[in-house]
Amino acid sequence: SYVLTQPPSVSVAPGKTARITCGGNNIGSKSVHWYQQKPGQAPVLVIYYDSDRPSGIPERFSGSNSGNTATLTISRVEAGDEADYYCQVWDSSSDHQAVFGGGTKLTVL
Amino acid sequence: EVQLVESGGGLVQPGGSLRLSCAASGFTFSSYWMSWVRQAPGKGLEWVANIKQDGSEKYYVDSVKGRFTISRDNAKNSLYLQMNSLRAEDTAVYYCARAGFGVVIAPFDYWGQGTLVTVSS
Repeated sequence: SYVLTQPPSVSVAPGKTARITCGGNNIGSKSVHWYQQKPGQAPVLVIYYDSDRPSGIPERFSGSNSGNTATLTISRVEAGDEADYYCQVWDSSSDHQAVFGGGTKLTVL
Repeated sequence: EVQLVESGGGLVQPGGSLRLSCAASGFTFSSYWMSWVRQAPGKGLEWVANIKQDGSEKYYVDSVKGRFTISRDNAKNSLYLQMNSLRAEDTAVYYCARAGFGVVIAPFDYWGQGTLVTVSS
């Protein structure tokens, strides 16, 4: 089955740029979606189809995907961005199974 | 406003059964693939199962195949997850999630608040 690899944690100072990676074999050929989850809350979609933003998500959130790595970039990080972030793809080779990365805890210093 | 409200969680003994429900509102339920996603305490997200708009296609993560059954009732705008032969490792918050754009390979654009299932003796 398809495996997505994320760093367990990323730390960034307020106002700086955070980059969270999601590695997978030829992930650039798949569409990647990103979710933000704050403690005690349900996940929220922040980036879909690699780089599109749902309405209501700040422009500070952006995404890219190429080769074996997809990246979620958060510019001008704010304290409220502190959360767990998950990448997700669909593995069509395995009966349309959704696959999530292990998650990355973003800490705002 | 799109709303997904799960119910049916609780404490169950190993080997027992539980049926989760998800009540949908604010959108045309019959037009979307729907999924269940779970999260064990302190762990990451794990997709469990999904079902096509008319219920004709269903897919499961390997660890629940043969034990869990996903179903839907479009007349009642409801999604279900029948869980049998429950194990301790099934303990998790179970989320109902909508796959956007009406296609199977889509982001989960709306999520419920989750319902906790605890499997323990």
